[in-house]
Amino acid sequence: NAGVTQTPKFRVLKTGQSMTLLCAQDMNHEYMYWYRQDPGMGLRLIHYSVGEGTTAKGEVPDGYNVSRLKKQNFLLGLESAAPSQTSVYFCASTLTVNTEAFFGQGTRLTVV
Amino acid sequence: QQQVKQSPQSLIVQKGGISIINCAYENTAFDYFPWYQQFPGKGPALLIAIRPDVSEKKEGRFTISFNKSAKQFSLHIMDSQPGDSATYFCAASMTNSGYALNFGKGTSLLVTP
Repeated sequence: NAGVTQTPKFRVLKTGQSMTLLCAQDMNHEYMYWYRQDPGMGLRLIHYSVGEGTTAKGEVPDGYNVSRLKKQNFLLGLESAAPSQTSVYFCASTLTVNTEAFFGQGTRLTVV
Repeated sequence: QQQVKQSPQSLIVQKGGISIINCAYENTAFDYFPWYQQFPGKGPALLIAIRPDVSEKKEGRFTISFNKSAKQFSLHIMDSQPGDSATYFCAASMTNSGYALNFGKGTSLLVTP
């Protein structure tokens, strides 16, 4: 089992460029999440999904969009990257509410 | 608004000592309190979790103490080892509304030989 896989692992973007981060899970989990991790800030929720075709905003959704067209995939998009979006992005999934969250290895994004 | 407050921000403990990390929350609707461990370059991984119907849960050298009336919970690492050096995050979530974990800001633990 691969668990939760994120691609890419590293990326450098120029201000204004767009990109999509892909998260794939093979555990048949219903819930998926995107977090960003910044030094001294912990993990902050960007968007989440409680099932295929559903998405919802988290704590810091501005500048990001998401889609969950297939149950196993959760995509995070940056339409016009800004230096403030330089961060490490983590995808996670859970089977149901209040159960173990499985995290991917993270994507380190730098916007210059 | 930080819903879960974690302290200390960093901690240095000698090998064999006890590491203690504390968390506090305000929302009494939280009903699931996990701790995650993160090594550099890796994603967080579940270490241990507790629900509010018990006051303590122990798994090996790791213990969660939970004080519902004080709205506080803590992680105790007994006989700390250099391999325990990592960042630890407490978190809280609720069943009935909102499904995602609310994380504390993390504690960087260094266990010296």
